[in-house]
Amino acid sequence: DVKVTQSSRYLVKRTGEKVFLECVQDMDHENMFWYRQDPGLGLRLIYFSYDVKMKEKGDIPEGYSVSREKKERFSLILESASTNQTSMYLCASSSDVSEQYFGPGTRLTVT
Amino acid sequence: KQEVTQIPAALSVPEGENLVLNCSFTDSAIYNLQWFRQDPGKGLTSLLLIQSSQREQTSGRLNASLDKSSGRSTLYIAASQPGDSATYLCAVLSGSARQLTFGSGTQLTVLP
Repeated sequence: DVKVTQSSRYLVKRTGEKVFLECVQDMDHENMFWYRQDPGLGLRLIYFSYDVKMKEKGDIPEGYSVSREKKERFSLILESASTNQTSMYLCASSSDVSEQYFGPGTRLTVT
Repeated sequence: KQEVTQIPAALSVPEGENLVLNCSFTDSAIYNLQWFRQDPGKGLTSLLLIQSSQREQTSGRLNASLDKSSGRSTLYIAASQPGDSATYLCAVLSGSARQLTFGSGTQLTVLP
C-alpha cells in the first residue's frame, strides 16, 4: 500500500513563528504536492515538485516556500505564520500522470 | 483554466438506495479523472481513477464513468450504506503543469 505520512495531525502556532510541515512518501514517487483546504474554497494547490530540488508554484504560493532535498520528503515552510494561514494542509504524491495519494492532513491553527 | 463542478452539493438518501453523483469539467483535454472520499477532519482517500482513454472503472459497489467529449463523469454507488456517508470529491488532471483541479464536493448522508 502507498503510504503518505505527515508529521503532525494538529498544530498550534503563534503569529510570526516559522512553521515546518513535513511530508514523507514510501512509493518512490517523483511528484509531490502541497494543498490547503478551506470551507467554501475547496482544495487549492500551493506548491508542487516533479523531482528532487525542483519546485513549482501552484495557485496560491504567497507566504509559503518548500524544500525537497530527498525524493521521499517534501516540506512546506511558512516563513512567518499569519492567522489567514489557519487551514487544513494536505500533502500528496504520484508517479507521472497516475493516481494521487494523499496524507492524513495537518490542521494548523495560527493564533 | 480548468473548472470542475459537482452536483448536487449535498444529498441525503435512505439506506439501500442506489445513487449517482455528478461531475463536470470545462476542458476535455485531461490526463485522467479521480474520485475521492473524505471523512470529516481527515485526508482524501482515492476511490477510482479513470484514465482519459477509459470509459469506466469499477470497485466493489462503486462504478465511475467518463465521457471526455462532453466533459462529464458520474460516480454510481449501489446499495448505499450508512458507512458511505462522507464528502465525495471529483478531480481532473490536466494542463501542461499536470495539475489536479478539484470540484467542491458532494456531501452524502445515508440514513439508517
